[in-house]
Amino acid sequence: NAGVTQTPKFQVLKTGQSMTLQCAQDMNHEYMSWYRQDPGMGLRLIHYSVGAGITDQGEVPNGYNVSRSTTEDFPLRLLSAAPSQTSVYFCASSRTWGQAEAFFGQGTRLTVV
Amino acid sequence: ILNVEQSPQSLHVQEGDSTNFTCSFPSSNFYALHWYRWETAKSPEALFVMTLNGDEKKKGRISATLNTKEGYSYLYIKGSQPEDSATYLCAFHTGNQFYFGTGTSLTVIP
Repeated sequence: NAGVTQTPKFQVLKTGQSMTLQCAQDMNHEYMSWYRQDPGMGLRLIHYSVGAGITDQGEVPNGYNVSRSTTEDFPLRLLSAAPSQTSVYFCASSRTWGQAEAFFGQGTRLTVV
Repeated sequence: ILNVEQSPQSLHVQEGDSTNFTCSFPSSNFYALHWYRWETAKSPEALFVMTLNGDEKKKGRISATLNTKEGYSYLYIKGSQPEDSATYLCAFHTGNQFYFGTGTSLTVIP
C-alpha cells in the first residue's frame, strides 16, 4: 500500500525555471492538498482539491498552479520559480476535507537559486 | 491569516515522565482540530481528529482533549518512552482552510 507518493524528493531550480511537483495517492481519497514547510513556521496550505476538476486556494497560493484531472493525481506547478519558493513541499490526501485524518507524502525539498 | 499557537516550543523529559502540550486556536469558525506526530525525516502521521467540544480521544498512552468554546486542546503522553520523541503538530480546520501550529518538539531522555 503506497499511500501518498511525491516525486521528486529533491530538486534544485534556477530562478525563472518552471517545474511540476508530482503527487499521487492510491487510497481513492477525494480530497488532496499541498503545503509548504518553512523554518519557524507551521505547514501552510497552498492549494487544495475536493475532487476531480475542483480546486481552491489555500493561505499561500501565489506563484503556484494546480489542476486535478483524476482522483489519484494532484500536481503542483511552479511557472516561474523564485528564491522565496525554496521550501519543503508536502502533499496530503484525506477521505473528507477537515474531519478525517490527512495522509502525507514524504515531501519534496526544493531549492531555487 | 489565522493564528494557531502551540506551547511549549520544545520539551525534554525523562523516560517514564508524563507530559502535556497545548494547542490554542480561535474559538470562532471551528470545524475540526487535528493532532499529528512528526518524526525527523518522515512525514506527519495523524494521531487524532477532534470535532466536538468536550471530545476526548485516546490511543495507547496518548490522549487529547478539546475545548472549542475557549479555543484550546491538550495532548497528554503518559509514561513517555524514547520512541515518543518527535514533533507534535496541531492543525485547526475552519471548514475551508487548514492552519497548522509550529509544533512542540519532544525529546525523551532514556
